[in-house]
Amino acid sequence: DAGVTQSPTHLIKTRGQQVTLRCSPKSGHDTVSWYQQALGQGPQFIFQYYEEEERQRGNFPDRFSGHQFPNYSSELNVNALLLGDSALYLCASSSGTGVADTQYFGPGTRLTVL
Amino acid sequence: AQRVTQPEKLLSVFKGAPVELKCNYSYSGSPELFWYVQYSRQRLQLLLRHISRESIKGFTADLNKGETSFHLKKPFAQEEDSAMYYCALMRVEYGNKLVFGAGTILRVKS
Repeated sequence: DAGVTQSPTHLIKTRGQQVTLRCSPKSGHDTVSWYQQALGQGPQFIFQYYEEEERQRGNFPDRFSGHQFPNYSSELNVNALLLGDSALYLCASSSGTGVADTQYFGPGTRLTVL
Repeated sequence: AQRVTQPEKLLSVFKGAPVELKCNYSYSGSPELFWYVQYSRQRLQLLLRHISRESIKGFTADLNKGETSFHLKKPFAQEEDSAMYYCALMRVEYGNKLVFGAGTILRVKS
């Protein structure tokens, strides 16, 4: 099991563009969470998907949206990119079978907005 | 609102010295607390969580609800412990989102 995988590894966009990031969860996991990690900070929760629906959302604008597919993989979309969206975007998966399930993280996608 | 504070950005110790990475939280409910570690060029990985009460790689952490702390400790630091350490809180009654501290870099010198 490769664990949580994310693509692409790096991405460079310009302001105003749109971006899609992808995540495949660990085998056997059905819940995917997305986090934004700005330089020098800890990860910040964006949202979580379970059974193809957004279950929880952090304090991020509607420009950030997501999707979960029947195979539990997920996408994070960001519209109208701002310079401040430059960050490492982390995906984490968990089993979703109970409370406080451990989340396993992917390697991240480094997004640079110019 | 829930918050996790790691007061030290950098902790530098000599090999064999004791290590204590501080973590304080603010939360009114019953928290689930975690320590995650990120070694150089590796992904964020779980080190330990308080509910399991395990000792991983010689590290332990005790939840002190009175002081709202979850400090990470190891009696004898090793060079391979050098990494970034994040303390995180999970609010289980509002789903399983993690709230992270800003992290502490641990540098173990030989």
